[in-house]
Amino acid sequence: NAGVTQTPKFRILKIGQSMTLQCTQDMNHNYMYWYRQDPGMGLKLIYYSVGAGITDKGEVPNGYNVSRSTTEDFPLRLELAAPSQTSVYFCASKRGIADTQYFGPGTRLTVL
Amino acid sequence: GDSVTQMEGPVTLSEEAFLTINCTYTATGYPSLFWYVQYPGEGLQLLLKATKADDKGSNKGFEATYRKETTSFHLEKGSVQVSDSAVYFCALSVISGGYNKLIFGAGTRLAVHP
Repeated sequence: NAGVTQTPKFRILKIGQSMTLQCTQDMNHNYMYWYRQDPGMGLKLIYYSVGAGITDKGEVPNGYNVSRSTTEDFPLRLELAAPSQTSVYFCASKRGIADTQYFGPGTRLTVL
Repeated sequence: GDSVTQMEGPVTLSEEAFLTINCTYTATGYPSLFWYVQYPGEGLQLLLKATKADDKGSNKGFEATYRKETTSFHLEKGSVQVSDSAVYFCALSVISGGYNKLIFGAGTRLAVHP
């Protein structure tokens, strides 16, 4: 099993550019999450999804968008990149509401 | 609101030393508690968890006990190894705003030297 995979591993963007961070899980999990991790800080929830076609905002959604057209995929879109979005982004998934979250390896994004 | 506070790092220990990383929490209701570990260049992995008061979670020689009276979930290991060098995150899980939410502490970096 691949688990939770994320691409790319690293990316440098210029201010104003857009990009999509990909996240795929092969565990048939219903719940998927996007977090950002800033230096010296814990993870903050950006968006989450409880199933295909259903998404909702977390604590820090501004500047991001998501979609969930399939159970497996949960891409995160940055439309107008800003330096404040420099961070490490983690995708996670879990099967049911009381289950453990499994994390991907992360995408390190720098906006200059 | 709900929150997790961890001791600040870095924590630097010699191999075979005893480890304690303190974690306290604030939450309404009855959260589940977790310790996650992040090795260099990798994502977070669940290390152990406890779902109710007085439960002890354990894995790979690490353990933590859910103490409701002191709202704590301190991580301990009797004899650390160089391979335990990583960042450790304490977290709690609550139902908030209609969804099950994980709230993380800031993380504690552990460095173990031979």
